[in-house]
Amino acid sequence: AQSVTQLGSHVSVSEGALVLLRCNYSSSVPPYLFWYVQYPNQGLQLLLKYTTGATLVKGINGFEAEFKKSETSFHLTKPSAHMSDAAEYFCAVSDRRDSSYKLIFGSGTRLLVRP
Amino acid sequence: DTGVSQNPRHKITKRGQNVTFRCDPISEHNRLYWYRQTLGQGPEFLTYFQNEAQLEKSRLLSDRFSAERPKGSFSTLEIQRTEQGDSAMYLCASSFDTDTQYFGPGTRLTVL
Repeated sequence: AQSVTQLGSHVSVSEGALVLLRCNYSSSVPPYLFWYVQYPNQGLQLLLKYTTGATLVKGINGFEAEFKKSETSFHLTKPSAHMSDAAEYFCAVSDRRDSSYKLIFGSGTRLLVRP
Repeated sequence: DTGVSQNPRHKITKRGQNVTFRCDPISEHNRLYWYRQTLGQGPEFLTYFQNEAQLEKSRLLSDRFSAERPKGSFSTLEIQRTEQGDSAMYLCASSFDTDTQYFGPGTRLTVL
């Protein structure tokens, strides 16, 4: 069965600093990979996804993530944090053999941005 | 494109009562998903429709839960005889035969 591990339930950075949110997956076949962001009392918004092709994926709001098969990782980065980036971030996988495309989520990482 | 909408946004009920939530997907999206998110956790898959057919249900979906999608448009999720453990955010998502799901704002259920 597939699973997702997000290391660090809380990450705190200063405004302008590098953001690094970690995600590792467990799957016998490389899955589809996603990062979603959730603001308080709102639904989830897709930041970026990897399905095939280039392993460095660029998303919205200056975020990017790199798929590393050898490390079974899909870490999310942003060069310079902004106050508006404070939110909860979820890594998710979908089994490419499963036609339902249902998502399996990690437990989330709350990003705090200090002024 | 008005996005996925969910109603109500908040629901407070007493234990043992029945509740029903509604999800309106993005127009022409044929796939619709329900997830449940408890405090401090990521969403968990509950069930999935392709058009009006319910194709998969999670083991999390006990007999007290039922979902429908008549005519392949909006969907309802009903919980009978609610329990305090049902308190959660219920999220709906839709897609059109792709891996990308678009989420609604969710319905927060509180069972007293």
